[in-house]
Amino acid sequence: EAGVAQSPRYKIIEKRQSVAFWCNPISGHATLYWYQQILGQGPKLLIQFQNNGVVDDSQLPKDRFSAERLKGVDSTLKIQPAKLEDSAVYLCASSEGTGRKVYGYTFGSGTRLTVV
Amino acid sequence: AQSVSQHNHHVILSEAASLELGCNYSYGGTVNLFWYVQYPGQHLQLLLKYFSGDPLVKGIKGFEAEFIKSKFSFNLRKPSVQWSDTAEYFCAVTPSGGYQKVTFGTGTKLQVIP
Repeated sequence: EAGVAQSPRYKIIEKRQSVAFWCNPISGHATLYWYQQILGQGPKLLIQFQNNGVVDDSQLPKDRFSAERLKGVDSTLKIQPAKLEDSAVYLCASSEGTGRKVYGYTFGSGTRLTVV
Repeated sequence: AQSVSQHNHHVILSEAASLELGCNYSYGGTVNLFWYVQYPGQHLQLLLKYFSGDPLVKGIKGFEAEFIKSKFSFNLRKPSVQWSDTAEYFCAVTPSGGYQKVTFGTGTKLQVIP
């Protein structure tokens, strides 16, 4: 099966600029996640979608980050305006798990964002 | 809320040495547990997972992990490592019920010396 697709792979922007990332999950996976992985740390959940609804966005800095999954398939994550501390790899993952079970994520290759 | 601790941040082993990476979690209820691996320049991949049943779980590439409920641990083991096992390893936990918020540990970098 095709994996989780993410684009772009790399992005360099100046602080205060805006940036958007795109993710296309595995076909049929209802749950989609965006994670932020700062160098030297484990992935941190930013937002979780179940179909096109938000399940958990408690760690999303909502003053600058936004995400949508309008048709319950692909998703975009936006940062506006970016700060230096947003430099990280942004990982998208999807899972076929719903309700009480999760079967493990499948991760995309990530987008490495550098804010200068 | 759940949390995960990985006490070894950086492990260096010679080829053929045995590996054990520690993972402890904190959560009051039943959990699902995972180990993920991230090879240099690649994305995270699932090594193995525990949902229920036999606490000794076997994964890909000769890895296994044992869930010890009384110790809240899920340590990863491999009897004989290879140079190709050089990677970063992440333990992760999610509550068994409800929506699956998965929490990752900070990772352990494994370097295997030929």
